[in-house]
Amino acid sequence: DQQVKQNSPSLSVQEGRISILNCDYTNSMFDYFLWYKKYPAEGPTFLISISSIKDKNEDGRFTVFLNKSAKHLSLHIVPSQPGDSAVYFCAASVDQAGTALIFGKGTTLSVSS
Amino acid sequence: EAQVTQNPRYLITVTGKKLTVTCSQNMNHEYMSWYRQDPGLGLRQIYYSMNVEVTDKGDVPEGYKVSRKEKRNFPLILESPSPNQTSLYFCASSLGGVRVGETQYFGPGTRLLVL
Repeated sequence: DQQVKQNSPSLSVQEGRISILNCDYTNSMFDYFLWYKKYPAEGPTFLISISSIKDKNEDGRFTVFLNKSAKHLSLHIVPSQPGDSAVYFCAASVDQAGTALIFGKGTTLSVSS
Repeated sequence: EAQVTQNPRYLITVTGKKLTVTCSQNMNHEYMSWYRQDPGLGLRQIYYSMNVEVTDKGDVPEGYKVSRKEKRNFPLILESPSPNQTSLYFCASSLGGVRVGETQYFGPGTRLLVL
């Protein structure tokens, strides 16, 4: 059974608008989450993370929101740019050492100009 | 340049023929990990290592072996590859676990086809 779910395989957004990528998790013990971005023919790159002691973390155009009661997190990209077009993976760190990660299936974001 | 390298980048092999995919990092990272990416399944962790001679199973370790004899290298070994191991493989490294804010760096990937 999937413990980290990204239910939208794809998302299309116009340049300059907001992109919202969603992620749900099933295990309430998960308390650290990460987002990775992946371009074709490249390895994933770390984007932003959030600990459950926070409900929001910002880094430039990227903000991650965490709703622990709903077991839901979302990544907001504002404003979206064509270079943001990529696959975005949500991941949960499942051990205290931060060594074991469970990833979602990914959401492909397409930003059109 | 700080990087994680994987070799080979592409490999076609036949069922049962042992193969090794090498992974090397030049950042003196203690933590290394292997993932596979499959369509519709996302990234799944195969094995990880917190330091030399310390390895542990991830989500999908069956059919794979790893070793960590030196800090910089973390090879992935398929003793008897099968077609269901056809996949895109990524190696990753970080200074420590991701919870302490350490960025995990990924290699460029190795695309494996097992016939």
